[in-house]
Amino acid sequence: DVKVTQSSRYLVKRTGEKVFLECVQDMDHENMFWYRQDPGLGLRLIYFSYDVKMKEKGDIPEGYSVSREKKERFSLILESASTNQTSMYLCASKRNVGNTEAFFGQGTRLTVV
Amino acid sequence: KQEVTQIPAALSVPEGENLVLNCSFTDSAIYNLQWFRQDPGKGLTSLLLIQSSQREQTSGRLNASLDKSSGRSTLYIAASQPGDSATYLCAVNNNNDMRFGAGTRLTVKP
Repeated sequence: DVKVTQSSRYLVKRTGEKVFLECVQDMDHENMFWYRQDPGLGLRLIYFSYDVKMKEKGDIPEGYSVSREKKERFSLILESASTNQTSMYLCASKRNVGNTEAFFGQGTRLTVV
Repeated sequence: KQEVTQIPAALSVPEGENLVLNCSFTDSAIYNLQWFRQDPGKGLTSLLLIQSSQREQTSGRLNASLDKSSGRSTLYIAASQPGDSATYLCAVNNNNDMRFGAGTRLTVKP
């Protein structure tokens, strides 16, 4: 069974903290994505990566950075968490060849207080 | 920039009804379209993937169609059950650019 695993289901962090959200996939996929999901706004792409050490900004990269040191792991970093970053964060992965489907992790509900 | 719209935003039906969820997109130059299900507070589960060259795809009680030229896809659910209650999202894929609709929240009443 294919697996995309996010390190935490729920996180509560304080304003100004540095926050790491981790995502691991076991399918040897080249592409990995980070989205945030907010009521009324749907899923919005923060960053994606198409290879190790490669990254591309999505629609809302401000306040975030990413790291991909190994193919299976894609980390989202909130350099200094703010309350407007309270959201559901979703990681996805897919192959970079052909018309293949994307697979999602279970989501991380982050609350910044 | 690709824009994806899902109608209706919410739908409530009695158990046993057949129903159709709609997805429209503005740029027809897509690789594929994927339908997902999302339960409250959870991640997305892939239901069906339709390649750009395909017209429809079926899995059990689910049937998804694609009309690329008109920028539309439908998800047909036959004989709905309370367990089908969830939010259904469509995603239009242009290689590394995957765009989502806002979803349709479905409630199936026993």
